[in-house]
Amino acid sequence: NAGVTQTPKFQVLKTGQSMTLQCAQDMNHNSMYWYRQDPGMGLRLIYYSASEGTTDKGEVPNGYNVSRLNKREFSLRLESAAPSQTSVYFCASSEFTDTQYFGPGTRLTVL
Amino acid sequence: KQEVTQIPAALSVPEGENLVLNCSFTDSAIYNLQWFRQDPGKGLTSLLLIQSSQREQTSGRLNASLDKSSGRSTLYIAASQPGDSATYLCAVRRASGTYKYIFGTGTRLKVLA
Repeated sequence: NAGVTQTPKFQVLKTGQSMTLQCAQDMNHNSMYWYRQDPGMGLRLIYYSASEGTTDKGEVPNGYNVSRLNKREFSLRLESAAPSQTSVYFCASSEFTDTQYFGPGTRLTVL
Repeated sequence: KQEVTQIPAALSVPEGENLVLNCSFTDSAIYNLQWFRQDPGKGLTSLLLIQSSQREQTSGRLNASLDKSSGRSTLYIAASQPGDSATYLCAVRRASGTYKYIFGTGTRLKVLA
């Protein structure tokens, strides 16, 4: 039982490049989330999907897009990366409003 | 706007001590509150979830309390061990019907052997 998995673990991009962060969960959870974690700022919600087929903006959605591909998978896309998007990105899932389970994170550096 | 504060930002204690970590929130209209543990370079692990109707939750050496009216939660760790060294974060879910969680910035705990 893998829980929440994220790929890649590390990524370096140049300003203006695009990339997609992948997230999958095998717990049959309905809700999935994308967060970023920055020093001194804590975790901030980027986007979430309350259930398959729905997505909503969190606190810091600018510069990102998401796709809830199916119940298992929720991807985060950076269309034109900027240095301000250097961060650690976490995906999480939950059964609606219950306990959230987090993935191991993706460490992204934008030069 | 909901704000979540955790003080102190860092704490060092000798092994065996009982300790209390604090979490304050500005809007008492919450649905639930979660405490997490984060080890360096790792994801978050949920420790305890308290629903707004509950006063406390316990798991092993951990006890979390919730006082909505005063906007406070505490995480009590009994008989601390070096393996408890980590960053502890609290997060509140607003009662507004959304799935948005607001996180505190965490308390970095070091338990000295």
